[in-house]
Amino acid sequence: DTAVSQTPKYLVTQMGNDKSIKCEQNLGHDTMYWYKQDSKKFLKIMFSYNNKELIINETVPNRFSPKSPDKAHLNLHINSLELGDSAVYFCASTRAGIEAFFGQGTRLTVV
Amino acid sequence: AQTVTQSQPEMSVQEAETVTLSCTYDTSENNYYLFWYKQPPSRQMILVIRQEAYKQQNATENRFSVNFQKAAKSFSLKISDSQLGDTAMYFCAFILGSGGSNYKLTFGKGTLLTVNP
Repeated sequence: DTAVSQTPKYLVTQMGNDKSIKCEQNLGHDTMYWYKQDSKKFLKIMFSYNNKELIINETVPNRFSPKSPDKAHLNLHINSLELGDSAVYFCASTRAGIEAFFGQGTRLTVV
Repeated sequence: AQTVTQSQPEMSVQEAETVTLSCTYDTSENNYYLFWYKQPPSRQMILVIRQEAYKQQNATENRFSVNFQKAAKSFSLKISDSQLGDTAMYFCAFILGSGGSNYKLTFGKGTLLTVNP
């Protein structure tokens, strides 16, 4: 069973489109994250949710909107995609004091 | 705010030798956890080792061990008997272990380790 599952694994889309990435965890964790990894491999937190409540929003453009329908799911919707949005997006979940488990990442390419 | 610094962007080591990756962090809190993650070319993030700040004993996982110096806020990773499969990007990470803003897992910028045959 996959602990943290995100889909799709690859996403190629044109500028201006709207796209979503889905994430689900079956670990019973209370906290979920979205991270962006750029071409230099820097991992930067975008959002974190705890029990469906937004905890952290790290100066991410309004075009990015996370949604957590329940504590096992955290989806990321991106409007009006730009070239600079091209990156690998990771979903992760954790319970404080226990290591974070990561999804396999979604490589988003905006053309 | 907590910060994590990895001062070695790239390192290389010969197969079977030992290598140490450096990490320093900054926090005013006393209760926290430190991690080393490995990211091979497959891009999967894999936990290598974890250290609780309240534990004085350094964590060890097979060929991987840490040197945790709490006063110096240093958390280095030692890889013994390096193997070709250890080639990867290594990230040091930090998370608070108490309430409030403990939901932020902060990463260093990573060290690219290459193990040469």
